[in-house]
Amino acid sequence: EVQLVESGGGLVQPGRSLRLSCAASGFTFGNYAIHWVRQAPGKGLEWVSGISWNSDTIGYADSVKGRFTISRDSAKSSVYLQMNSLRAEDAALYYCAKAGGAGSYYMGMDAWGQGTTVTVSS
Amino acid sequence: DIQMTQSPSSLSASVGDRVTITCRASQGISNFLAWYQQRPGKVPKLLIYAASTLQSGVPSRFSGSGSGTDFTLTISSLQPEDVATYYCHDYSTAAAAHTFGGGTKVEIK
Repeated sequence: EVQLVESGGGLVQPGRSLRLSCAASGFTFGNYAIHWVRQAPGKGLEWVSGISWNSDTIGYADSVKGRFTISRDSAKSSVYLQMNSLRAEDAALYYCAKAGGAGSYYMGMDAWGQGTTVTVSS
Repeated sequence: DIQMTQSPSSLSASVGDRVTITCRASQGISNFLAWYQQRPGKVPKLLIYAASTLQSGVPSRFSGSGSGTDFTLTISSLQPEDVATYYCHDYSTAAAAHTFGGGTKVEIK
């Protein structure tokens, strides 16, 4: 069974940093792109960042470019999102999601974690 | 960046009705489009990818069409379990950035 488990969320002051983790299991992690998608309370889905299976393709939403960094560790079957200079508008439920097919970054997302909540407040 | 505009933002229909949701891209994206269903309090679920390919396990009353800039998600016969918000998702190659539409909330009349 495919599983994605996010962790690392919490309460953080504006301007501070947080690192989210996404632990994957149930599939060949090294063959799939992974994305981060967030959802502010009562709002829609917002794609945040993605990383291809071999880390050759990495993308960021304009709203987080220069502040967030995505990375992956195949040995740990995990993807990370380093979030710096956090703002109130970054507060959301952060999901990690798996690309629907092996070897491509440009695909829909067929498996999602339950999410981890980030709260940004002084 | 590509903008994805969904319409309507919400709709109310009766059980058994045919429901259509549209998504328009600000520039051509070929068929690099997916649709998701998010039931209240739940995780998003992939319904359709490549604009018209039904994800395994998704009921056949869901269908997708379109290419280029205009796309449609159709529910042929609305069921109570279809109450959800539906999102389109552009995953074309522009700048390695993906984009979601604003969502369409579907309710039962």
